[in-house]
Amino acid sequence: AQSVTQLDSHVSVSEGTPVLLRCNYSSSYSPSLFWYVQHPNKGLQLLLKYTSAATLVKGINGFEAEFKKSETSFHLTKPSAHMSDAAEYFCVVSDLGTGGFKTIFGAGTRLFVKA
Amino acid sequence: SAVISQKPSRDICQRGTSLTIQCQVDSQVTMMFWYRQQPGQSLTLIATANQGSEATYESGFVIDKFPISRPNLTFSTLTVSNMSPEDSSIYLCSVVPGSDEQYFGPGTRLTVT
Repeated sequence: AQSVTQLDSHVSVSEGTPVLLRCNYSSSYSPSLFWYVQHPNKGLQLLLKYTSAATLVKGINGFEAEFKKSETSFHLTKPSAHMSDAAEYFCVVSDLGTGGFKTIFGAGTRLFVKA
Repeated sequence: SAVISQKPSRDICQRGTSLTIQCQVDSQVTMMFWYRQQPGQSLTLIATANQGSEATYESGFVIDKFPISRPNLTFSTLTVSNMSPEDSSIYLCSVVPGSDEQYFGPGTRLTVT
């Protein structure tokens, strides 16, 4: 069975400092993992995805994530936060198993960026 | 990839009425889904829209409340029936053109008064 746990409901950082949004997952199959961002009153935008290639995945806007199978983690990082990064971030796990395509969304992490 | 449009983008409806949301995709896709995002919450899968057959609903969602049509591989509708204020949410259409990456429509923001 799949599950996704975003360990922090809110994260607050100062502009120019690193960002770390934590995500742990479980999956019975070989999962694909994603991070999506949702700005206020906007649609979902794909930041990056892991699909069993390189474990360090680079996405848009300077974000990256590392897939660590031993820790079942897929944490999202960015070296230097920008005010425009303030948004809701969702960690997502999906797989195509015998039950068909299944996707589970994490509860989300709200990122606040202080000037 | 896939480009998805939804109509309407937002609506304000009175309780007891119904609203039909349309989802149009720019290419033929087998897998299409409807999600709900309640205020301040994450996304919850309502159902899988199956072309030519009845939708497959997740636990807690029923066809009488959320009837879905899927007449072809590029179009689907979701109806929110007999609405109450608790139905106020963003409703999103989603497709999976390949085997993993999921694309989302812009959403329909529904407010029920």
